Amino acid sequence: DSGVTQTPKHLITATGQRVTLRCSPRSGDLSVYWYQQSLDQGLQFLIQYYNGEERAKGNILERFSAQQFPDLHSELNLSSLELGDSALYFCASSEGRGGPDTQYFGPGTRLTVL
Amino acid sequence: GQNIDQPTEMTATEGAIVQINCTYQTSGFNGLFWYQQHAGEAPTFLSYNVLDGLEEKGRFSSFLSRSKGYSYLLLKELQMKDSASYLCACFFTGRRALTFGSGTRLQVQP
Repeated sequence: DSGVTQTPKHLITATGQRVTLRCSPRSGDLSVYWYQQSLDQGLQFLIQYYNGEERAKGNILERFSAQQFPDLHSELNLSSLELGDSALYFCASSEGRGGPDTQYFGPGTRLTVL
Repeated sequence: GQNIDQPTEMTATEGAIVQINCTYQTSGFNGLFWYQQHAGEAPTFLSYNVLDGLEEKGRFSSFLSRSKGYSYLLLKELQMKDSASYLCACFFTGRRALTFGSGTRLQVQP
């Protein structure tokens, strides 16, 4: 158990809908990262927040957005969902701002878009 | 770009030793991580190398050569539970996030 929690574990929804994924980092960690992993694909970095502020952006679609709240939990919002958005979404956290910090991953949310 | 290359799949026998290689572009390189990921589960941290040399942790060791842009993960006394994907990830100065390779799927056979 990494100490990073994610909810829900599974999510099934229809095309065009909007969902919110939630992540709580390990105690003491200030950075939260979001990744997408499609079937048999590598981890694609989406976005990072550090202490409430966006710090780095990866291949995140405009339909996706995220935020980090004062209690450091983070939410990833996915809207106008398409079939291709079906994937595992992982959250990770680290102590520092990023860079060569060890990231600890949550168990993931499996999103299925029908 | 900062490509990271790993073999897609490897097969090894229980009790044996296997070496999983990772190569990367050296420009801006500033650290390399290895993660293990079982199918459908979260990646778990195995090792971190930033200086040249070998880091040993029980049955797992990781090696880095910065000048050659090369790392390997060595798994000894393989067990069936070591069947998983092994992800190589690098930090490059100027990019604020880790870059992950596509992973090497290791199958351990009896």
